Amino acid sequence: SQELEQSPQSLIVQEGKNLTINCTSSKTLYGLYWYKQKYGEGLIFLMMLQKGGEEKSHEKITAKLDEKKQQSSLHITASQPSHAGIYLCGADRGSGGYQKVTFGTGTKLQVIP
Amino acid sequence: SAVISQKPSRDICQRGTSLTIQCQVDSQVTMMFWYRQQPGQSLTLIATANQGSEATYESGFVIDKFPISRPNLTFSTLTVSNMSPEDSSIYLCSVQGGTGLDTIYFGEGSWLTVV
Repeated sequence: SQELEQSPQSLIVQEGKNLTINCTSSKTLYGLYWYKQKYGEGLIFLMMLQKGGEEKSHEKITAKLDEKKQQSSLHITASQPSHAGIYLCGADRGSGGYQKVTFGTGTKLQVIP
Repeated sequence: SAVISQKPSRDICQRGTSLTIQCQVDSQVTMMFWYRQQPGQSLTLIATANQGSEATYESGFVIDKFPISRPNLTFSTLTVSNMSPEDSSIYLCSVQGGTGLDTIYFGEGSWLTVV
């Protein structure tokens, strides 16, 4: 089974609608990271959450970390076609001075104009 | 930040052949990583490319199948050997510019299809 499970696996929303993507860990979360991936492009770092209850926003994207539930949610307000892509959550499982990232299964988002 | 150039960006390969993917960084970096993302699965670390020594492979990945070179601090290659359709994946090069996951940068990926 996956260490990080994302839901939903795919999502189609109409432009202007809000949406939420969840990332649940089977292990204790000390920090969680959200990335966005578009076809033919590299992964783009969105934001990092390190403390329980921490919430961060970047433009219309908000992410929150719930340590007790070992879960993070990514919320997009008033979605736009530019939000389309694959959203990946990642957790730091590394040691020895560098970060080894474990990624979730990804959520594919399509935004219909 | 680091700018990463990966080649090829896309390729269609015949079963049984090998393909080498190149990763060039515009600055010297200590850590370089290779990831694979198979269809419908999560991005998975293949190995850490160490400059001047053998790569460190994750469980389930072996050097014979994925030989890696790291001749200097700005360049690395990953070879996918004796390819089968199961190797159809996105292969991503990644570098770490400092501490923290917000200093990890990814290449654009190499989208391989094995037929």
